[in-house]
Amino acid sequence: DVKVTQSSRYLVKRTGEKVFLECVQDMDHENMFWYRQDPGLGLRLIYFSYDVKMKEKGDIPEGYSVSREKKERFSLILESASTNQTSMYLCASNADRVGTDTQYFGPGTRLTVL
Amino acid sequence: DAKTTQPNSMESNEEEPVHLPCNHSTISGTDYIHWYRQLPSQGPEYVIHGLTSNVNNRMASLAIAEDRKSSTLILHRATLRDAAVYYCILRSRASGSRLTFGEGTQLTVNP
Repeated sequence: DVKVTQSSRYLVKRTGEKVFLECVQDMDHENMFWYRQDPGLGLRLIYFSYDVKMKEKGDIPEGYSVSREKKERFSLILESASTNQTSMYLCASNADRVGTDTQYFGPGTRLTVL
Repeated sequence: DAKTTQPNSMESNEEEPVHLPCNHSTISGTDYIHWYRQLPSQGPEYVIHGLTSNVNNRMASLAIAEDRKSSTLILHRATLRDAAVYYCILRSRASGSRLTFGEGTQLTVNP
C-alpha cells in the first residue's frame, strides 16, 4: 500500500522557535510537495521538489525553507516560527508522469505557534 | 492555470446517487480533469481523472461534457463515509506536477 507519513499529527511551538516538519514516502516517487491548509483559503503550495537536492518555490514560500537530501524524505523548515504560521501542513508525493501522476498525501501536521 | 468553479456545498441521502458538478470554461485542450476528496481530519485522496472520455473506477465515475467546459463526478450510491470535501482540479502540462486546489464542494450525506 502506498504510504506518505508525517512526523507528527499535532505540534505546538513558541514564536521564534525553529520548527522541522518531516515527510517520508515509500513509493520511490521523484516529486514531493508541501502545502498548508487554512479555512477559507484552501490548500496552498509552499515548496516542491523534483529530485534530491532540487527545490522550487510554490505560491507562498516566504518564511519557509525545505531540504531534500534523500529521495524518500522532504523536510519543511520554519526558521523562526510566527503565529501566522499556525496551520495544517500537508505533504504529498507523486511519480513524474503527466496525466497519470496521482498525488498521495500524508495525514497532515496541525501546527500551533503560540 | 485555468480555473474551476464548484458549488460550496451539496447534500445527499445515503444509498442515493450524487452528482457533483464542476465548471471549467477556460480549460485548454491538454488539461486533464482531476478529482480529489478530503475526508475529515485526513489529507486529500485521489478519486478519478480524465481528459476527454467518461471514466469509471471503483470509487466513482467522471462524466465530461463534449465541449469539456464542465464535468460531473458521480458517486453511484453515497455512503456516510463519502462525506468529504470534493475538489475538481485542472492539470496542465505547463504546471508540471503542481495541483492548484480551490475551495471544493462540501458533501453532506444524510442517513
